[in-house]
Amino acid sequence: EVQLLESGGGLVQPGGSLTLSCAASGFTFSSYAMSWVRQAPGKGLEWVSSISGSGGNTFYADSVKGRFAISRDNSKNTVYVEMSSLRTEDTAVYYCAKADGSPSYGAFDAWGQGTVVTV
Amino acid sequence: DVVMTQSPLSLSVTLGQPASISCRSSQSLVFSDGSTFLNWFQQRPGQSPRRLIYKVSNRDSGVPDRFSGSGSGTDFTLKISRVEAEDVGVYYCMQGRYWPLTFGGGTKVEIK
Repeated sequence: EVQLLESGGGLVQPGGSLTLSCAASGFTFSSYAMSWVRQAPGKGLEWVSSISGSGGNTFYADSVKGRFAISRDNSKNTVYVEMSSLRTEDTAVYYCAKADGSPSYGAFDAWGQGTVVTV
Repeated sequence: DVVMTQSPLSLSVTLGQPASISCRSSQSLVFSDGSTFLNWFQQRPGQSPRRLIYKVSNRDSGVPDRFSGSGSGTDFTLKISRVEAEDVGVYYCMQGRYWPLTFGGGTKVEIK
């Protein structure tokens, strides 16, 4: 069974930094792209960032480019997002999502339970 | 950016009746291999999103067959043939063809 478990959320001051982690299990982690998607309170879903299975390709939403950095450690089956220069508008539930192996990084076939970031 | 426009914003449906949600993309979502990267997600109250449909019309494992997806190019539809109480939530379409990946604004389904 695929499981994604996010951690690292919390309360941070504007301008501060935070690193979120997503521990994966139940699949061959290095074979799949991973992404972060966020949801501000009472709002819809917003894609944040994606990373290829090898970690060699990364993609960012304009709203976080230059402030967030996605990475992964395939030996630990974990994907991270380092968030810096945080703004109040970054307040959201952050979900980790797994792609299904198709050419589309956005084919999210599994999601974590989310971790709350409050700025 | 590809804009995903969903309608209606909300839907109030009698149990056992059908429901239909429309999603329109500002550009064609057809990939070079002929695939169309349009997904539908369901988010029940207090839960994480869950994918229902991928590549326009393919149901994910465990998704009841009352859910169906259709469409092509830029116009897509999610249909629920007979709404059940567990279908309450918000439904999102999402395109996976272009960067940045973009979601529709969501359609809230409630029981009348």
